[in-house]
Amino acid sequence: GDSVTQMEGPVTLSEEAFLTINCTYTATGYPSLFWYVQYPGEGLQLLLKATKADDKGSNKGFEATYRKETTSFHLEKGSVQVSDSAVYFCALSGLNTGGFKTIFGAGTRLFVKA
Amino acid sequence: DAGVIQSPRHEVTEMGQEVTLRCKPISGHNSLFWYRQTMMRGLELLIYFNNNVPIDDSGMPEDRFSAKMPNASFSTLKIQPSEPRDSAVYFCASQPGTSEQETQYFGPGTRLLVL
Repeated sequence: GDSVTQMEGPVTLSEEAFLTINCTYTATGYPSLFWYVQYPGEGLQLLLKATKADDKGSNKGFEATYRKETTSFHLEKGSVQVSDSAVYFCALSGLNTGGFKTIFGAGTRLFVKA
Repeated sequence: DAGVIQSPRHEVTEMGQEVTLRCKPISGHNSLFWYRQTMMRGLELLIYFNNNVPIDDSGMPEDRFSAKMPNASFSTLKIQPSEPRDSAVYFCASQPGTSEQETQYFGPGTRLLVL
């Protein structure tokens, strides 16, 4: 079945460091791919998404490119801030019998030190 | 827009009691999802509705769990009887339509502790 694998955390970086969080997926068909972010005590919120191969999603300095050939959707940011400390979830959404199914990765916790 | 509203935000109950979690989706959204989040299992989809109709409930753990959506602005997730292993954060999410390309909007969650 469909699945999402993302790098284990926690990831600890200093402010202004470069961030990469790896995400790979297994899916039949052509899913849409998402990165969601969860701040402490809150629900998830969309960070960025891409709905077809080679699309690049971007928001707030974060970027991810839908790579069908490597089945990947790695999240990157050139210079992280303390306020980026959160848990990041990679997710895919693909067609399923009668509708669609969304599958989330395990989440990667990011700590950014001042 | 008020966003997705969930109540209660915190619930502490004893094993064997009935628990009802409530969700009000964003007005005009046609799809609603219930998720459970635990450290051990991560974020799991329990059930989702399109236009108030349950489409996929394969994630509902067992018969003790039930969900309803009597109208477009309200849904409940009920656990009866509750067990300590049901302790988790339960999220409700909604999205505008029924496409897999759309963004899901999450509520703040209900933190459930079953003693």
